[in-house]
Amino acid sequence: SQKIEQNSEALNIQEGKTATLTCNYTNYSPAYLQWYRQDPGRGPVFLLLIRENEKEKRKERLKVTFDTTLKQSLFHITASQPADSATYLCALDSISLIFGSGTRLLVRP
Amino acid sequence: GAGVSQSPSNKVTEKGKDVELRCDPISGHTALYWYRQSLGQGLEFLIYFQGNSAPDKSGLPSDRFSAERTGGSVSTLTIQRTQQEDSAVYLCASSLEVSGANVLTFGAGSRLTVL
Repeated sequence: SQKIEQNSEALNIQEGKTATLTCNYTNYSPAYLQWYRQDPGRGPVFLLLIRENEKEKRKERLKVTFDTTLKQSLFHITASQPADSATYLCALDSISLIFGSGTRLLVRP
Repeated sequence: GAGVSQSPSNKVTEKGKDVELRCDPISGHTALYWYRQSLGQGLEFLIYFQGNSAPDKSGLPSDRFSAERTGGSVSTLTIQRTQQEDSAVYLCASSLEVSGANVLTFGAGSRLTVL
C-alpha cells in the first residue's frame, strides 16, 4: 500500500542548531515533493518544492534533499530560531497532492 | 480574492443534521482541494477538482459526503446526517499548475463540531 511517513514524535532542539526532518514514502513515484509549514489553528503554508531530477534545493535557511532511490526527503532548517517552531508536512503528487502526518518542531530559546 | 476564503469558520451542529461548507478559491486557480484534519492528526485527502470536474473522489469517507464546484470557482462540501466522527477541521486549498507542479494555497479551515 502507499504510505508517506514522517516522524510522529516532536523534534526538540536548541536555538541555533540545525533541525533535520525526514519524509519517507513507499509505492509512490512522485514527480515532485513539497514541504509545508503549519501553525496551530492555521492552514499549511508552502515552503519549498523539489523535483525528481533535483538532488537539493535551498531557500534562505531551508534546505531540502530528495533521494528517489531511498524514497526519502530530508528537510533542514539551519540556525534554527524559536519562531521556526511549527509542524512541518511533506506532500507528494499522486493524482492529487497527498500529505504526510507531519512532524512538530520545537526550538528552545 | 487575495486568498482562499472558507465559511463558516466554526460550525457546531447536532448529530444527524446536514452541513454545508463553502470554499472561495483564489481567482484564476483552476484546481481546488478539500482535506480533513482531525485534532493532532495530518491532512486526510477528500476530493480534488480540476475546473468543475473531480478526477479524484477517492478520499470521500462515505456516501454522506459530497462536493461540487460550479463556474470553476466556488466549491461546497456537504455532509449529510452528520456523525460525531465527522468533527474535524475541513481545509480547502486552490492551486495553479506551473510547469507540471501544483503548489497549494490553503484557507484557514472550517472547524466542524458534531454534538
